[in-house]
Amino acid sequence: ETGVTQSPTHLIKTRGQQVTLRCSSQSGHNTVSWYQQALGQGPQFIFQYYREEENGRGNFPPRFSGLQFPNYSSELNVNALELDDSALYLCASSFGTSYNEQFFGPGTRLTVL
Amino acid sequence: AQKVTQAQTEISVVEKEDVTLDCVYETRDTTYYLFWYKQPPSGELVFLIRRNSFDEQNEISGRYSWNFQKSTSSFNFTITASQVVDSAVYFCALSEGGPYNTDKLIFGTGTRLQVFP
Repeated sequence: ETGVTQSPTHLIKTRGQQVTLRCSSQSGHNTVSWYQQALGQGPQFIFQYYREEENGRGNFPPRFSGLQFPNYSSELNVNALELDDSALYLCASSFGTSYNEQFFGPGTRLTVL
Repeated sequence: AQKVTQAQTEISVVEKEDVTLDCVYETRDTTYYLFWYKQPPSGELVFLIRRNSFDEQNEISGRYSWNFQKSTSSFNFTITASQVVDSAVYFCALSEGGPYNTDKLIFGTGTRLQVFP
């Protein structure tokens, strides 16, 4: 059974640029959730995708967008990067959308200069 | 509003000591789940336990145990005979899920546990 994988591991961008982060869900999972974890904080929910549709969104601006593909992998896109976007971005996969265990990937560390 | 509070920012213990990590939650729902995750320095969140709101039985798994008390909205985590490998940040999380809610996890701010040899 393959776990959740994310790429890249680290990324450095400058303010105003755009970034795409990728996530491959665990085998058999059809739901992907994205979280942002600032240094010293708990993860904050960005959005969730279920069967290629957005299934809920946290308190993040529209410049945070996503996609889910037919194989249930997912992308997180952030436009017009700001310094405060520097964080660890975590992807989690699960099966279905009700109270299920979410299995997390290793994260992508994004630094915005 | 949904909220998870982990009042202990950092705890330091010596190996073999027992340690309890506190978690207090707020929710309007009667159906919800509570979770604990461990985050070692590598950054990946490791799932430890899931408990639903209708099951207040305490749970033990090896050196780990969890005490869920709805009366005080608490879901505390105890590590018995701590080891250096237990050093990590531990997060408590709440999920309201269900057919009308997004199954998102609401995390506390975490408790950093340092176990010294």
